Amino acid sequence: GAVVSQHPSRVICKSGTSVKIECRSLDFQATTMFWYRQFPKQSLMLMATSNEGSKATYEQGVEKDKFLINHASLTLSTLTVTSAHPEDSSFYICSFQKGGNQPQHFGDGTRLSIL
Amino acid sequence: QKEVEQDPGPLSVPEGAIVSLNCTYSNSAFQYFMWYRQYSRKGPELLMYTYSSGNKEDGRFTAQVDKSSKYISLFIRDSQPSDSATYLCAMSDENTSGSRLTFGEGTQLTVNP
Repeated sequence: GAVVSQHPSRVICKSGTSVKIECRSLDFQATTMFWYRQFPKQSLMLMATSNEGSKATYEQGVEKDKFLINHASLTLSTLTVTSAHPEDSSFYICSFQKGGNQPQHFGDGTRLSIL
Repeated sequence: QKEVEQDPGPLSVPEGAIVSLNCTYSNSAFQYFMWYRQYSRKGPELLMYTYSSGNKEDGRFTAQVDKSSKYISLFIRDSQPSDSATYLCAMSDENTSGSRLTFGEGTQLTVNP
């Protein structure tokens, strides 16, 4: 299956810190990328969708100034959680989609803990 | 009412059992159906991807889609302890061509040796 690399896998930091999460597709070029967050024992919640070279489209209730997404190339996207607070603690997961009618392939997630 | 309903589990079975995981949905526009497996503290891993109604088999896994009943299933034959994970159904409509997945809540499966 497709390989998506997500780093770091675990972050623990103080409140007010900005945290950058990187997501790379290792074996295909993606037309679309997605960022999700997941709370314990719950399903994935879509945060935003982005295409290479375009601004991300954020879901309702997701602050775009809080969660900065940079889709730098067809194989790289980053999510920066700015001035993180304890309520931002969650499991963040990226996914890539190769093209229309193709399934999404997910990274292994980043567990973010804000103290 | 949620667009996708999934049997919440948890489900506990002995090794070797046949497992049936199910989702129902309300949006008749859904055309693409997926099953993902998620191990604890990991991202979802694609297991099966089907388009429209029918069956698809891959090793010990069989996915069934019945669009007339708005019902999809994943069967696992000869279940193994390594199959212990949370299984997520996901679907999308023709207009978004595989984008914007709608997920079920997930079923936690434990296969006991």
